Amino acid sequence: ELKVEQNPLFLSMQEGKNYTIYCNYSTTSDRLYWYRQDPGKSLESLFVLLSNGAVKQEGRLMASLDTKARLSTLHITAAVHDLSATYFCAVELKPPSGGGADGLTFGKGTHLIIQP
Amino acid sequence: DAGVIQSPRHEVTEMGQEVTLRCKPISGHDYLFWYRQTMMRGLELLIYFNNNVPIDDSGMPEDRFSAKMPNASFSTLKIQPSEPRDSAVYFCASSLYMGLAPYEQYFGPGTRLTVT
Repeated sequence: ELKVEQNPLFLSMQEGKNYTIYCNYSTTSDRLYWYRQDPGKSLESLFVLLSNGAVKQEGRLMASLDTKARLSTLHITAAVHDLSATYFCAVELKPPSGGGADGLTFGKGTHLIIQP
Repeated sequence: DAGVIQSPRHEVTEMGQEVTLRCKPISGHDYLFWYRQTMMRGLELLIYFNNNVPIDDSGMPEDRFSAKMPNASFSTLKIQPSEPRDSAVYFCASSLYMGLAPYEQYFGPGTRLTVT
C-alpha cells in the first residue's frame, strides 16, 4: 500500500523567511504532484515532477524530486502572506496494466500560515 | 475553457435519502477521477474512469456508493442511502494522459455534502 507522508503538518512562519516542506512516499512512483488549497476552495496544481533530480520553480516556490530517496521537497523563499494555504503532495503510481494514468494518493497536507 | 464543472456546489440532505453528484470534465480529457476530502481521512481517491470505463473502484467505501460515466462529458456519483458519515467535500478531476510527458489532474470546485 502506498503511503505518502508530509512534514510538517502545521507551519507558522514570518514573512521574508525561507522554509521547506518534505514529502516522503513508500513505493517507487512515476510522478509526483504538488497542489495548493485555499480554505473552502478547490486544489490548484503547482508542479508535476517526473524524473529523478527534477527541479521546478515558480516565483517563490521551488519543488524537487529524488526518486531514489523517495523524497520531494517544496521550498519557499522569502515567504509572503499570500502564500498562506494548505499544500499537498500527491503520488501517482503506474496502473497494474502497465500503462495509462492512475489516481493520486495524497499526503495529509501542510497547513502554512505566513504572518506579516 | 470552463474547467471541470460540478453540481450542486452544496447539498444538504437527511440520512437515508439518495444523493447524486454530477461532474462535467474538461472537453477532450480521457480520464475522470472522483475524490473525497474529510478532516479525518484527508483526500481519498474513490474511483476513476478511462474513456468512460471504470478502471479502479477500490476506493469506493461500500455498496451504497456507485458511479457512472455514460459519455465523455458527464459522470455521476450516487450515494443511496446516505449516512451522516458521508458528509465531506467531493471533488471531480479530469486529465488528458500524455505518456511520458507531464500532465495534470484538474480539479473541479467540489460539492460540499452534509447529511443530517
